Amino acid sequence: ETAVFQTPNYHVTQVGNEVSFNCKQTLGHDTMYWYKQDSKKLLKIMFSYNNKQLIVNETVPRRFSPQSSDKAHLNLRIKSVEPEDSAVYLCASSLDWGFYAEQFFGPGTRLTVL
Amino acid sequence: GDSVTQTEGQVALSEEDFLTIHCNYSASGYPTLFWYVQYPGEGPQLLFRASRDKEKGSSRGFEATYDKGTTSFHLRKASVQESDSAVYYCALSHTGNYKYVFGAGTRLKVIA
Repeated sequence: ETAVFQTPNYHVTQVGNEVSFNCKQTLGHDTMYWYKQDSKKLLKIMFSYNNKQLIVNETVPRRFSPQSSDKAHLNLRIKSVEPEDSAVYLCASSLDWGFYAEQFFGPGTRLTVL
Repeated sequence: GDSVTQTEGQVALSEEDFLTIHCNYSASGYPTLFWYVQYPGEGPQLLFRASRDKEKGSSRGFEATYDKGTTSFHLRKASVQESDSAVYYCALSHTGNYKYVFGAGTRLKVIA
């Protein structure tokens, strides 16, 4: 099956802990993204990688760091989570970073910070 | 910078009603415009896109026409079904941008 896969589906943790989310795409795409979706469904781009190179790094707190081992994988690490980090984190990929490219999204990882 | 403004909040309709979700954009030149739909528990998926003035995008009974004069890309469907209940996003992407700009999303609730 070709798609964008994310693990875990859900994660509940305490303030100050470190968490990591995984994303893998089997579509053969060159570009991958991380988005944050808040409780009001607002979607905000966080990072974008093209062929393992960081090309978009929006203004996000420094405790967030993306990690790309190859162009099919893009993980997200959050050091010392805060309550405002509670959200759904969506991973996406596209064939390239062209402005016409369709983005394919994974189902998301829901993070709850207690 | 580029921006997208769409119908705020929730739209509640009965089955077979006509749907319009407004989308207006601000960007120079000719951005590509997109409509994405997100069903509960899933990521957004592309409905359709358009990149030229007067170009019409359509899919699953939904349609929108790129209008550079009014900088709009309104989503319409003649007869909605309960299965259309979802969150709809208007978005744009621009030459030289490496990212989309998404609108705030509009939640559609269709009552049977």
